[in-house]
Amino acid sequence: NAGVTQTPKFQVLKTGQSMTLQCAQDMNHNSMYWYRQDPGMGLRLIYYSASEGTTDKGEVPNGYNVSRLNKREFSLRLESAAPSQTSVYFCASRRGSLVTGSEAFFGQGTRLTVV
Amino acid sequence: QKEVEQDPGPLSVPEGAIVSLNCTYSNSAFQYFMWYRQYSRKGPELLMYTYSSGNKEDGRFTAQVDKSSKYISLFIRDSQPSDSATYLCAMRPHTGTASKLTFGTGTRLQVTL
Repeated sequence: NAGVTQTPKFQVLKTGQSMTLQCAQDMNHNSMYWYRQDPGMGLRLIYYSASEGTTDKGEVPNGYNVSRLNKREFSLRLESAAPSQTSVYFCASRRGSLVTGSEAFFGQGTRLTVV
Repeated sequence: QKEVEQDPGPLSVPEGAIVSLNCTYSNSAFQYFMWYRQYSRKGPELLMYTYSSGNKEDGRFTAQVDKSSKYISLFIRDSQPSDSATYLCAMRPHTGTASKLTFGTGTRLQVTL
């Protein structure tokens, strides 16, 4: 049982380069999320997808785009990386119903440095 | 003003101590309250989950929610070195199948031998 898998685990980009962070879950969850984690700021929501085919902005969406490719996969794209996007990125998934206990499961994170 | 406030610590305690971790919040719509544990260089993992006000116990861990005061706590009894991690509180409203989690900034805990 892999849970939530993120690739790559580490990445260094030059300012202006683009890249896509990949996320896949094997728990048949409906909702998927992208967060960034910065010192002193906690986890901040970038984008989320309530279900296959839908995406919505979170708290800090500027500079990012997402694609919900299918129920399993949710990718995050940086079109033109900036040093302010240096962070640890976490993907999470959740069953997405109101059933008690259907809370978010997180991947192991992608450490991104933009120089 | 953040919706969720959490003391960042670090908090250092000796092995066997009782640890109290706390969060305050301002959004009265929050109904579900969670505590996540995050080891260094790992993703957060769900530790405790509580709906509305009250207490919930799971082994050495007890979660308390006081909605009237907008205050939640996590107590760790007989703390162990393996409890050394960052503890994040999180909460969300009841409505919406993708209702978003709002996190505190996390409290770093160090349990020493």
